[in-house]
Amino acid sequence: DIQMTQSPSTLSASVGDRVTITCRASQSISSWLAWYQQKPGKAPKLMIYRASSLESGVPSRFSGSGSGTEFTLTISSLQPDDFATYYCQHFNSYSETFGQGTKVEIK
Amino acid sequence: EVQLVQSGAEVKKPGESLRISCKGSGYSFSGYWITWVRQMPGKGLEWMGRIDPSDSHTIYSPSFQGHVTMSVDKSISTAYLQWSSLKASDSAMYYCARRPCYYDSCGYYPQWGQGTLVTVSS
Repeated sequence: DIQMTQSPSTLSASVGDRVTITCRASQSISSWLAWYQQKPGKAPKLMIYRASSLESGVPSRFSGSGSGTEFTLTISSLQPDDFATYYCQHFNSYSETFGQGTKVEIK
Repeated sequence: EVQLVQSGAEVKKPGESLRISCKGSGYSFSGYWITWVRQMPGKGLEWMGRIDPSDSHTIYSPSFQGHVTMSVDKSISTAYLQWSSLKASDSAMYYCARRPCYYDSCGYYPQWGQGTLVTVSS
């Protein structure tokens, strides 16, 4: 199975900061990667799909990049509504895997 | 509007059976895979597997194969996740989610159910 490793596990940042979260795959996954935001007590929300496509309605301060084994989610200017946990997800024809999550906290 | 509405919270004893549901509306239910995701208390998301409502073909995560059963009833646009003998370690929030298209390239989830909390305790 393909393993997905996110870093860091926790990130402390201030409003207005540029924030980058990394997701590494144990083998090449092309661009078959998505990013989700989850707030406590809520279902995950799709932010980015196919590594770099912004889901409809998601603010443009969110962006995704990468291919192969290394991917990043960037928030260009952190807003109060962005404090949450973020997960990457790999998908292919026979399996899917989530990363362990990155919690973005208020500094 | 596409909606996935899940059944309510459950409290069960170890050894009991359980079936939770996920009802789709606002789209052609048979045309899109439904996935189940587990989230244990304070932990991350775990992919359990998915089911093709058109023919009930299922793909299970090795971690969940043999422990749960996924099924659908197309006539009422509902997917199910069931256990024959619950354990305390099955206590978690369970989400259903829908792919945006049928193909492998659409393995991501813009639509999610609200979650069903399952508590297993003696």
